[in-house]
Amino acid sequence: GAGVSQTPSNKVTEKGKYVELRCDPISGHTALYWYRQSLGQGPEFLIYFQGTGAADDSGLPNDRFFAVRPEGSVSTLKIQRTERGDSAVYLCASSRTDIGGELFFGEGSRLTVL
Amino acid sequence: GENVEQHPSTLSVQEGDSAVIKCTYSDSASNYFPWYKQELGKRPQLIIDIRSNVGEKKDQRIAVTLNKTAKHFSLHITETQPEDSAVYFCAASKGGSYIPTFGRGTSLIVHP
Repeated sequence: GAGVSQTPSNKVTEKGKYVELRCDPISGHTALYWYRQSLGQGPEFLIYFQGTGAADDSGLPNDRFFAVRPEGSVSTLKIQRTERGDSAVYLCASSRTDIGGELFFGEGSRLTVL
Repeated sequence: GENVEQHPSTLSVQEGDSAVIKCTYSDSASNYFPWYKQELGKRPQLIIDIRSNVGEKKDQRIAVTLNKTAKHFSLHITETQPEDSAVYFCAASKGGSYIPTFGRGTSLIVHP
């Protein structure tokens, strides 16, 4: 596709439920990032993939959060036992290289945990 | 890890004025500094970036300056226009993974 695609755009769930957020990066981009953005804040790093492997997952807040990128393209962020504090916009971005350059962001998935 | 501080949080200017947003970073190994613009409800988009081997970079009405010794960098927008109204984020990253650490953002409001 022309840009980074994220689904769903909006997700409302109840506390304790499991959610999956999907990111389809720009074709050919090897680097993929997940960020979380709360209202009035800057994007907060969660996890970075280079190809299929999670090169850096130091930003994941706890073991309820997990992400995969099995074929080096589409990535899924998985959140178990959701809590109200997980409510935020989850942004995915991809990049052409891993030597520093423009990140192309998706529109984000807005997660609301009731 | 890296820590990026950004000021001011809100900046209100009249159309045609200049706007300056300042950021500081903590990790002296950081060597890539992008700036992103995020319009309301939209995705962040890169507007300009600078690497540590240069001190200044310009692109039409926007410019970025970098002071490696002081570990701060700034975004300058001249002749502001209402369409410049948005939230601007600075970021810093370094070699290895180049994972950007973002500042908290500056909401720029340009009054016609």
